Amino acid sequence: QVQLVESGGGLVKPGGSLRLSCAASGFTFSDYYMGWIRRAPGEGLEWVSYISRRSDTIYYADSVKGRFTISRDNAKNSLYLQMNSLGAEDMAVYFCVRGWGGYDYVDYWGQGTLVTVSS
Amino acid sequence: EIVLTQSPATLSLSPGERATLSCRASQSVSTYLGWYQQKPGQAPRLLIYDASNRATGIPARFSGTGSGTDFTLTISSLEPEDFAVYYCQQRSSWPFTFGPGTKVDIK
Repeated sequence: QVQLVESGGGLVKPGGSLRLSCAASGFTFSDYYMGWIRRAPGEGLEWVSYISRRSDTIYYADSVKGRFTISRDNAKNSLYLQMNSLGAEDMAVYFCVRGWGGYDYVDYWGQGTLVTVSS
Repeated sequence: EIVLTQSPATLSLSPGERATLSCRASQSVSTYLGWYQQKPGQAPRLLIYDASNRATGIPARFSGTGSGTDFTLTISSLEPEDFAVYYCQQRSSWPFTFGPGTKVDIK
């Protein structure tokens, strides 16, 4: 069955960096768009970044543009999110998600990894 | 950025009743709007895609209508397992955005 397992979250100081990883299994990873969605405490769902099957199309939310970098390794069935210059506004649970077919909806979600930004 | 507004925030109904949930977009999204259901401790599940199409395995009691800026998710007769939070999401333009959700709880 489809599984998305995130790792790499944790406590980081303001201005620091983290790299999130998502290990995918149970499907042909290279056939799907993948993305990261986050939910900050008490807030709604925010689509952070999205990457096409061959990494030739990438989107970022304005709130993270220039600080976050999404990437994927189809040979390793893995998705990544490099997060730099982290601030309190980035504190959230980050979900690895799979784009559904040729439509930009989500059909599978990981369990989420918590990013805490605090001095 | 397209802002989605959902109403009501909470809908209190009894099993067997009809639920009508609304999602309004700050600008037209054509029919590029989906609906998700989320139960406690679970990930959201896609119910409806592109305004009116049920996703695989979704019961016929769930239906979606609308286009442009106004959309409706209808649950024709609530089953016990339908009490949950429902989100809309637009894919018309990046950034794709979600509504804040409507909680359907038991009256």
